[in-house]
Amino acid sequence: NAGVTQTPKFRILKIGQSMTLQCTQDMNHNYMYWYRQDPGMGLKLIYYSVGAGITDKGEVPNGYNVSRSTTEDFPLRLELAAPSQTSVYFCASSLTGFGAFFGQGTRLTVV
Amino acid sequence: DAKTTQPPSMDCAEGRAANLPCNHSTISGNEYVYWYRQIHSQGPQYIIHGLKNNETNEMASLIITEDRKSSTLILPHATLRDTAVYYCIVRVGQGAQKLVFGQGTRLTINP
Repeated sequence: NAGVTQTPKFRILKIGQSMTLQCTQDMNHNYMYWYRQDPGMGLKLIYYSVGAGITDKGEVPNGYNVSRSTTEDFPLRLELAAPSQTSVYFCASSLTGFGAFFGQGTRLTVV
Repeated sequence: DAKTTQPPSMDCAEGRAANLPCNHSTISGNEYVYWYRQIHSQGPQYIIHGLKNNETNEMASLIITEDRKSSTLILPHATLRDTAVYYCIVRVGQGAQKLVFGQGTRLTINP
């Protein structure tokens, strides 16, 4: 049982480049979430999904896009990378009424 | 979801019980109290949650006051590995959507 798996673990992007952060869970959870955490700061919710085909904005959605075509996968897309998007990104999943499980994070640097 | 208030930092001696308070005076009847922690730069970890009864698991105990306006997370025998940021979150159990983190309490366990 792998839980929540995020890839890649580390990535360096140049300004203006695009990339997709992958997140997959094997627990059949209906909820999935994306967060970013800047150095020394708390977690900020970017986007979340309550089930396949349904997504909604969190606290800081600008500059990101998501999709949820399957229960298992919830990729996060950065279209035009900016230095302000340098952060650690965490994906999480949960069942209704239960605690969330988090991945180990993707450390992204935009230069 | 109701807002929570936590002290920004606390210290505890190794081997002693760590008691982390959380105020949630605007909690609604159908809202649960959840606790998570984040050790250094790892992904957050779910600890425990409850509605109105006290709860205990292998990690911690959760004490919720009778009026449900505050709660305390208890780590019975704190170890150095319990040094982390602890987050108290209130959210509706059924149909819950956003999972938003506040600033949490930075707990330092001292040898």
